[in-house]
Amino acid sequence: EIVLTQSPATLSLSPGERATLSCRASQSVSSYLAWYQQKPGQAPRLLIYDASNRATGIPARFSGSGSGTDFTLTISSLEPEDFAVYYCQQRSNWPPGTFGQGTRLEIK
Amino acid sequence: EVQLVESGGGLVQPGGSLRLSCAASGFTFSSYSMNWVRQAPGKGLEWVSYISSSSSTIYYADSVKGRFTISRDNAKNSLYLQMNSLRDEDTAVYYCARGGWLQLEAIFDYWGQGTLVTVSS
Repeated sequence: EIVLTQSPATLSLSPGERATLSCRASQSVSSYLAWYQQKPGQAPRLLIYDASNRATGIPARFSGSGSGTDFTLTISSLEPEDFAVYYCQQRSNWPPGTFGQGTRLEIK
Repeated sequence: EVQLVESGGGLVQPGGSLRLSCAASGFTFSSYSMNWVRQAPGKGLEWVSYISSSSSTIYYADSVKGRFTISRDNAKNSLYLQMNSLRDEDTAVYYCARGGWLQLEAIFDYWGQGTLVTVSS
Protein backbone atom coordinates (compact mmCIF):
# COMPACT_ATOMS: atom_id res chain seq x y z
CA GLU A 1 0.00 0.00 0.00
CA ILE A 2 1.27 3.45 -0.92
CA VAL A 3 1.83 5.75 2.05
CA LEU A 4 1.45 9.50 1.65
CA THR A 5 3.31 11.77 4.08
CA GLN A 6 2.30 15.40 4.31
CA SER A 7 4.43 18.20 5.69
CA PRO A 8 4.37 20.27 7.71
CA ALA A 9 1.71 18.98 10.08
CA THR A 10 0.75 22.56 10.87
CA LEU A 11 1.53 25.71 8.93
CA SER A 12 0.98 29.13 10.52
CA LEU A 13 0.69 32.03 8.08
CA SER A 14 -1.07 35.36 7.71
CA PRO A 15 -3.66 36.39 5.11
CA GLY A 16 -1.94 37.56 1.94
CA GLU A 17 1.05 35.27 2.42
CA ARG A 18 1.99 32.38 0.14
CA ALA A 19 1.38 28.83 1.40
CA THR A 20 3.35 25.81 0.26
CA LEU A 21 2.16 22.36 1.37
CA SER A 22 4.02 19.15 0.60
CA CYS A 23 2.94 15.55 -0.01
CA ARG A 24 5.46 12.75 -0.48
CA ALA A 25 4.54 9.25 -1.67
CA SER A 26 6.32 6.08 -0.55
CA GLN A 27 6.57 5.05 -4.21
CA SER A 28 5.83 6.71 -7.52
CA VAL A 29 2.20 7.64 -8.13
CA SER A 30 3.00 9.26 -11.49
CA SER A 31 0.73 12.33 -11.65
CA TYR A 32 -2.21 10.61 -9.98
CA LEU A 33 -2.44 12.84 -6.94
CA ALA A 34 -5.34 14.95 -5.70
CA TRP A 35 -5.72 17.63 -3.04
CA TYR A 36 -8.77 18.25 -0.85
CA GLN A 37 -9.66 21.06 1.54
CA GLN A 38 -11.69 20.47 4.69
CA LYS A 39 -13.02 23.21 6.93
CA PRO A 40 -14.20 22.46 10.50
CA GLY A 41 -17.55 20.69 10.54
CA GLN A 42 -17.66 20.44 6.75
CA ALA A 43 -17.10 17.74 4.18
CA PRO A 44 -13.88 17.71 2.17
CA ARG A 45 -13.84 19.58 -1.14
CA LEU A 46 -11.83 18.54 -4.18
CA LEU A 47 -9.31 21.23 -5.15
CA ILE A 48 -6.79 19.66 -7.51
CA TYR A 49 -6.68 16.36 -9.38
CA ASP A 50 -3.92 14.65 -11.32
CA ALA A 51 -1.32 16.85 -9.64
CA SER A 52 -2.09 20.14 -11.37
CA ASN A 53 -5.68 20.31 -12.62
CA ARG A 54 -8.02 22.58 -10.70
CA ALA A 55 -11.47 21.16 -10.02
CA THR A 56 -14.60 23.01 -11.08
CA GLY A 57 -15.02 26.35 -9.35
CA ILE A 58 -11.64 26.37 -7.60
CA PRO A 59 -9.96 29.80 -7.57
CA ALA A 60 -6.77 30.33 -9.55
CA ARG A 61 -4.79 31.09 -6.38
CA PHE A 62 -4.71 27.33 -5.78
CA SER A 63 -2.17 25.44 -7.86
CA GLY A 64 -0.60 22.01 -7.74
CA SER A 65 2.66 20.64 -9.05
CA GLY A 66 4.86 17.59 -8.93
CA SER A 67 5.11 14.06 -10.24
CA GLY A 68 6.48 10.74 -9.12
CA THR A 69 6.85 10.95 -5.35
CA ASP A 70 6.95 14.68 -4.53
CA PHE A 71 4.01 17.03 -4.83
CA THR A 72 3.20 20.58 -3.78
CA LEU A 73 -0.02 22.51 -3.24
CA THR A 74 0.53 26.26 -3.44
CA ILE A 75 -1.90 28.96 -2.39
CA SER A 76 -0.50 32.15 -3.90
CA SER A 77 -2.08 34.69 -1.56
CA LEU A 78 -4.05 33.41 1.42
CA GLU A 79 -7.63 34.51 1.88
CA PRO A 80 -9.33 34.19 5.30
CA GLU A 81 -11.46 31.31 4.01
CA ASP A 82 -8.39 29.27 3.04
CA PHE A 83 -7.48 28.37 6.61
CA ALA A 84 -8.42 24.72 6.84
CA VAL A 85 -6.98 21.21 6.75
CA TYR A 86 -5.61 19.96 3.44
CA TYR A 87 -5.30 16.30 2.41
CA CYS A 88 -3.55 14.68 -0.51
CA GLN A 89 -4.83 11.42 -2.03
CA GLN A 90 -3.37 9.04 -4.60
CA ARG A 91 -5.23 7.06 -7.25
CA SER A 92 -2.23 5.35 -8.82
CA ASN A 93 -2.67 2.18 -6.79
CA TRP A 94 -6.48 1.92 -6.64
CA PRO A 95 -7.99 0.57 -4.56
CA PRO A 96 -7.36 1.76 -1.92
CA GLY A 97 -7.40 5.48 -2.48
CA THR A 98 -5.03 6.34 0.31
CA PHE A 99 -4.94 9.79 1.88
CA GLY A 100 -2.18 11.66 3.60
CA GLN A 101 -2.57 12.53 7.28
CA GLY A 102 -3.32 16.18 6.52
CA THR A 103 -1.74 19.60 6.95
CA ARG A 104 -3.51 22.15 9.13
CA LEU A 105 -3.18 25.67 7.79
CA GLU A 106 -3.81 28.11 10.62
CA ILE A 107 -3.87 31.86 10.99
CA LYS A 108 -0.70 33.28 12.49
CA GLU B 1 -26.59 21.31 -8.24
CA VAL B 2 -25.09 18.04 -7.07
CA GLN B 3 -26.41 17.01 -3.66
CA LEU B 4 -25.55 13.99 -1.54
CA VAL B 5 -27.43 13.53 1.72
CA GLU B 6 -26.46 10.76 4.14
CA SER B 7 -28.68 9.29 6.82
CA GLY B 8 -28.87 6.32 9.14
CA GLY B 9 -26.06 7.06 11.56
CA GLY B 10 -26.41 6.72 15.30
CA LEU B 11 -25.25 4.95 18.44
CA VAL B 12 -24.82 1.19 18.24
CA GLN B 13 -23.26 -1.38 20.55
CA PRO B 14 -20.16 -3.33 19.57
CA GLY B 15 -21.17 -6.29 17.44
CA GLY B 16 -24.29 -4.52 16.25
CA SER B 17 -25.45 -3.48 12.79
CA LEU B 18 -26.40 -0.28 11.07
CA ARG B 19 -27.44 0.66 7.53
CA LEU B 20 -26.41 3.98 6.06
CA SER B 21 -28.15 5.60 3.11
CA CYS B 22 -27.11 8.36 0.72
CA ALA B 23 -29.70 10.15 -1.40
CA ALA B 24 -28.31 11.70 -4.56
CA SER B 25 -29.73 14.45 -6.72
CA GLY B 26 -28.64 17.00 -9.32
CA PHE B 27 -26.83 14.54 -11.59
CA THR B 28 -27.41 11.28 -13.47
CA PHE B 29 -26.76 8.93 -10.56
CA SER B 30 -26.69 5.80 -12.71
CA SER B 31 -23.71 7.14 -14.68
CA TYR B 32 -21.31 7.56 -11.77
CA SER B 33 -19.43 5.30 -9.40
CA MET B 34 -19.88 6.01 -5.71
CA ASN B 35 -17.83 5.60 -2.56
CA TRP B 36 -18.00 5.67 1.21
CA VAL B 37 -15.20 7.49 3.03
CA ARG B 38 -14.98 7.80 6.80
CA GLN B 39 -13.28 10.05 9.31
CA ALA B 40 -12.76 9.05 12.94
CA PRO B 41 -13.12 11.91 15.44
CA GLY B 42 -10.15 14.26 15.13
CA LYS B 43 -8.48 12.01 12.56
CA GLY B 44 -7.86 11.92 8.83
CA LEU B 45 -9.80 10.46 5.93
CA GLU B 46 -10.08 6.73 5.21
CA TRP B 47 -11.63 5.33 2.05
CA VAL B 48 -14.06 2.51 2.93
CA SER B 49 -15.77 1.16 -0.18
CA TYR B 50 -16.43 1.68 -3.90
CA ILE B 51 -19.24 0.60 -6.20
CA SER B 52 -19.30 1.08 -9.95
CA SER B 53 -22.20 2.72 -11.74
CA SER B 54 -23.82 -0.62 -12.63
CA SER B 55 -22.84 -2.36 -9.36
CA SER B 56 -20.70 -4.79 -11.37
CA THR B 57 -17.49 -3.87 -9.52
CA ILE B 58 -17.18 -3.46 -5.76
CA TYR B 59 -14.14 -2.85 -3.59
CA TYR B 60 -13.62 -2.67 0.16
CA ALA B 61 -10.86 -1.49 2.44
CA ASP B 62 -9.21 -4.38 4.28
CA SER B 63 -10.42 -2.91 7.58
CA VAL B 64 -14.09 -3.52 6.69
CA LYS B 65 -13.93 -6.46 4.28
CA GLY B 66 -16.34 -9.23 5.28
CA ARG B 67 -18.29 -6.93 7.62
CA PHE B 68 -19.58 -4.11 5.40
CA THR B 69 -21.63 -4.36 2.21
CA ILE B 70 -22.05 -1.54 -0.28
CA SER B 71 -25.01 -1.43 -2.65
CA ARG B 72 -26.98 1.02 -4.75
CA ASP B 73 -30.43 1.42 -6.28
CA ASN B 74 -30.18 3.48 -9.44
CA ALA B 75 -33.97 3.69 -9.74
CA LYS B 76 -34.07 5.41 -6.36
CA ASN B 77 -30.84 7.44 -6.81
CA SER B 78 -29.58 5.94 -3.58
CA LEU B 79 -26.39 4.45 -2.17
CA TYR B 80 -26.23 2.19 0.87
CA LEU B 81 -23.72 0.79 3.34
CA GLN B 82 -24.75 -2.19 5.47
CA MET B 83 -22.42 -2.38 8.45
CA ASN B 84 -22.34 -5.56 10.53
CA SER B 85 -20.16 -6.75 13.42
CA LEU B 86 -19.37 -3.15 14.29
CA ARG B 87 -16.29 -2.39 16.36
CA ASP B 88 -15.23 0.58 18.46
CA GLU B 89 -12.78 1.57 15.73
CA ASP B 90 -15.62 1.95 13.23
CA THR B 91 -16.72 5.09 15.09
CA ALA B 92 -16.52 7.88 12.53
CA VAL B 93 -18.36 10.31 10.33
CA TYR B 94 -19.26 8.43 7.16
CA TYR B 95 -19.35 10.40 3.93
CA CYS B 96 -20.72 9.31 0.61
CA ALA B 97 -18.62 10.66 -2.22
CA ARG B 98 -19.13 10.60 -5.96
CA GLY B 99 -16.42 9.17 -8.16
CA GLY B 100 -15.17 11.40 -10.93
CA TRP B 101 -16.07 10.94 -14.59
CA LEU B 102 -14.63 7.99 -16.52
CA GLN B 103 -10.92 7.46 -15.76
CA LEU B 104 -11.18 9.85 -12.80
CA GLU B 105 -13.51 7.61 -10.81
CA ALA B 106 -10.91 7.20 -8.04
CA ILE B 107 -11.19 10.95 -7.44
CA PHE B 108 -13.97 12.06 -5.11
CA ASP B 109 -15.45 15.14 -6.72
CA TYR B 110 -18.57 15.70 -4.58
CA TRP B 111 -19.19 14.78 -0.96
CA GLY B 112 -22.18 14.66 1.32
CA GLN B 113 -22.18 16.29 4.75
CA GLY B 114 -21.70 12.99 6.51
CA THR B 115 -23.49 10.92 9.13
CA LEU B 116 -21.97 10.05 12.50
CA VAL B 117 -21.72 6.43 13.56
CA THR B 118 -20.78 5.82 17.19
CA VAL B 119 -19.97 2.30 18.32
CA SER B 120 -19.99 2.10 22.11
CA SER B 121 -21.43 0.07 24.93
